[in-house]
Amino acid sequence: AQKVTQAQTEISVVEKEDVTLDCVYETRDTTYYLFWYKQPPSGELVFLIRRNSFDEQNEISGRYSWNFQKSTSSFNFTITASQVVDSAVYFCALSEVTGANSKLTFGKGITLSVRP
Amino acid sequence: ETGVTQTPRHLVMGMTNKKSLKCEQHLGHNAMYWYKQSAKKPLELMFVYNFKEQTENNSVPSRFSPECPNSSHLFLHLHTLQPEDSALYLCASSPHSASSYNEQFFGPGTRLTVL
Repeated sequence: AQKVTQAQTEISVVEKEDVTLDCVYETRDTTYYLFWYKQPPSGELVFLIRRNSFDEQNEISGRYSWNFQKSTSSFNFTITASQVVDSAVYFCALSEVTGANSKLTFGKGITLSVRP
Repeated sequence: ETGVTQTPRHLVMGMTNKKSLKCEQHLGHNAMYWYKQSAKKPLELMFVYNFKEQTENNSVPSRFSPECPNSSHLFLHLHTLQPEDSALYLCASSPHSASSYNEQFFGPGTRLTVL
């Protein structure tokens, strides 16, 4: 069975600090996809990034960067120079295909608070 | 705006009431999902529909009854709920339910409180 662990539950930082959100996953699949979603107070989960299991290149998008390490089954997310608008719950997720469906297995989420 | 809308945004109901949650997606997707999000727990997948056909029921109690009249609309009919059913109910859509590549697009959720 797949599993996603986000060991950090709540993180509080001051604006402009860098912060890293950890994600560790377990799967027996050789082909899989990893995702990060952001859930602001408004409720909807917003897709941030997808990474497939064969692509270990790190990715940077503005202040966001992701570090995928297959050897340690980790897919960590770093926000550089955090801002108050980054305050949200962040979910890491792993997809698998079982039967007729692809399923997303989510971690419990990390609540990030960025203080002015 | 993710292209997925949900109504109502908030709902308070008694244990004997019957109510329905509505989800609509404007993305041309063929798969729709219901999730339950309780405090301090991972999102729980409840139901999956692909081309209007239910392809997943994740052992959800029968007091939750989904309906998918077409690929753009998804309902969750609620009756005789329990207080522990209070949660945020999220709807999502994706191009096809069998593809592990595609991200899912989520609505803002319905915050349900059962008294």
